[in-house]
Amino acid sequence: QVQLVESGGGLVKPGGSLRLSCAASGFTFSDYYMSWIRQAPGKGLEWVSYISSSGSTIYYADSVKGRFTISRDNAKNSLYLQMNSLRVEDTAVYYCTRAGGSGYYLDYWGQGTLVTVSS
Amino acid sequence: QLVLTQSPSASASLGASVKLTCTLTSGHSSFAIAWHQQQPEKGPRYLMKLNSDGSHSRGDGIPDRFSGSSSGAERYLTISSLQSEDEADYYCQTWGTGIRVFGGGTKLTVL
Repeated sequence: QVQLVESGGGLVKPGGSLRLSCAASGFTFSDYYMSWIRQAPGKGLEWVSYISSSGSTIYYADSVKGRFTISRDNAKNSLYLQMNSLRVEDTAVYYCTRAGGSGYYLDYWGQGTLVTVSS
Repeated sequence: QLVLTQSPSASASLGASVKLTCTLTSGHSSFAIAWHQQQPEKGPRYLMKLNSDGSHSRGDGIPDRFSGSSSGAERYLTISSLQSEDEADYYCQTWGTGIRVFGGGTKLTVL
C-alpha cells in the first residue's frame, strides 16, 4: 500500500533553516508528481510546492518562493523540502503528498511533520 | 484568479444526508476538483476527483456513501447515511499551471 512518511520537523529560530524529508513506498515513485502542503495551527490547507516526476518542473507558492527548495531523489524514493530564512508564519504541519492524474489532484497524504519557528 | 469558495460550516443529523458546496471563480467553471476529508487531529485523506460533468472517481477504500456532482461552477460532495466519524473538515482542491489551490474548508458537525 502507498505510504508517505515525513521527517525532519522541529523547533527552529526565525531566520534558521530546516530540511524535511519524505520516504515513499508502495508505488513507483519516479512515475508521480509530488507536492508539499502545509497547515498552520487552526488554519486550512495551503499548497507550498510541487515537483514533476523527473524533477524538471518545479513551482512554488508566492509565500515561500526564493526561500524554499523542493527536490527529489528517485533512486531513493524520497522527496525533500529545504526551508531557509524561516519566519514565524512558516509554523505549520507539513504534509508530503502524491499527485495523481498527471500531477493535478493529491491522492495520498503523509501523516505530517510539525515545523515550529519561534525565538 | 483561481479561487475556491466553501461555506465555513455545515451540520446534519446522524443517518441523514448532507451536501457540501465548493464554488469555482468565474471563468473556471470547466475545472475539475478533488475533495479531501480531515478528521479531528488527523492528516487529510483524499476522497474523490470530481469533473465538471459530475463524473467522479473515489479514492481507495472510500465508501459509496460519498458521492460528487457538478452544476456550472459549483462542485458538490454529498455524504449519505451520516456516521459520527464523518464529522470532519472537508476541503476542495483544484489546479492550474504552476499552482494548486485549496478552498477554505467546511467544518461538518454530525448532530
